[in-house]
Amino acid sequence: SQQGEEDPQALSIQEGENATMNCSYKTSINNLQWYRQNSGRGLVHLILIRSNEREKHSGRLRVTLDTSKKSSSLLITASRAADTASYFCATDANNNDMRFGAGTRLTVKP
Amino acid sequence: SAVISQKPSRDICQRGTSLTIQCQVDSQVTMMFWYRQQPGQSLTLIATANQGSEATYESGFVIDKFPISRPNLTFSTLTVSNMSPEDSSIYLCSVRQGEPRYGYTFGSGTRLTVV
Repeated sequence: SQQGEEDPQALSIQEGENATMNCSYKTSINNLQWYRQNSGRGLVHLILIRSNEREKHSGRLRVTLDTSKKSSSLLITASRAADTASYFCATDANNNDMRFGAGTRLTVKP
Repeated sequence: SAVISQKPSRDICQRGTSLTIQCQVDSQVTMMFWYRQQPGQSLTLIATANQGSEATYESGFVIDKFPISRPNLTFSTLTVSNMSPEDSSIYLCSVRQGEPRYGYTFGSGTRLTVV
């Protein structure tokens, strides 16, 4: 079953703008992960943030985690048309129990 | 990182028939995971497959409908049995990539349409 909710459900921006997606979850976690999915294909792991971390960067990606609010955000800076995809957060409660959020469909217009 | 070959990539099947989906991993992994993604929805875990033991199914999924095989540490199959249009979904297999910081690797998915 799904762990949490993501918002917005859909986001449309212009190339070069930043995109922010949010994820909320319900239970305690070991880590939270973000994945990208292109056109209903397999998911690609983007970044993992542990429960004792508050912020993490990877290239144009910035992830924050607030365990007190049970929420996370994914920021994509300087977006490109190739960033168009669905983005999912996934919580890992006991290292073998991944639960996915509903996802955000991002469209980056050239 | 692990590489997963998932087959078939898509299929259109008649209701009442069964389809077996295969996932081959290029390295040995203890656990493999099978997910369903209904149209426009998120991923839902169907079951976890361990080599040498019966798969563990999530609530709402049963072995008679989704039998799983795990004959060795690099291979698993998921069968969708007695299909109905409601089974039309993308089915994905997944493995954990060693250290948790690398997350999980997914197969490319099987897009199933039941007519």
